[in-house]
Amino acid sequence: GQNIDQPTEMTATEGAIVQINCTYQTSGFNGLFWYQQHAGEAPTFLSYNVLDGLEEKGRFSSFLSRSKGYSYLLLKELQMKDSASYLCAVGGHTGGFKTIFGAGTRLFVKA
Amino acid sequence: GAGVSQTPSNKVTEKGKYVELRCDPISGHTALYWYRQSLGQGPEFLIYFQGTGAADDSGLPNDRFFAVRPEGSVSTLKIQRTERGDSAVYLCASSPGPDSTDTQYFGPGTRLTVL
Repeated sequence: GQNIDQPTEMTATEGAIVQINCTYQTSGFNGLFWYQQHAGEAPTFLSYNVLDGLEEKGRFSSFLSRSKGYSYLLLKELQMKDSASYLCAVGGHTGGFKTIFGAGTRLFVKA
Repeated sequence: GAGVSQTPSNKVTEKGKYVELRCDPISGHTALYWYRQSLGQGPEFLIYFQGTGAADDSGLPNDRFFAVRPEGSVSTLKIQRTERGDSAVYLCASSPGPDSTDTQYFGPGTRLTVL
């Protein structure tokens, strides 16, 4: 089967660091994406991992362990505008081109 | 340059009616995806086009749903005999090439409400 799990909601304080975890079980794997989605808006790309390890991009970093089916998104120096849903997605399934999205983690950043 | 555009932004229809939703991808992008998203959920894959052909339509829920991309650019998602359960935001995304690991750029979506 195909399953992506991530926490439903998280709350963090402005200026802090937050880690959003994602675990997946899929029939094929060609890469893991993180997207940000503000309420009422379309998802926007944040990061992509295909090899194990950490990818850093400014305040955002993403980690992947393929053997464990695990990824996390790390957000540093949180700002109020980071309040959004964060979607974990697995791309490139064997035999097809599906991208499977998790339900998303709603992050609330408080002052 | 222009991003992905979708029309209409909102569509209200009655149960049993036919609707068409349009997607204009980023110019030059050969890959195009359709998703639908319900409140509190992530996007649910429907269909993927590479050029004019549907390379993967395994996400279409039933034969009431159909999509075309006749010239490899604009795509139309067609829903026949709409049901209340079809109410959702329909998202379109495009990416530069056929590699399924390419970043997808999403349009603003069409909010479909079936009464």
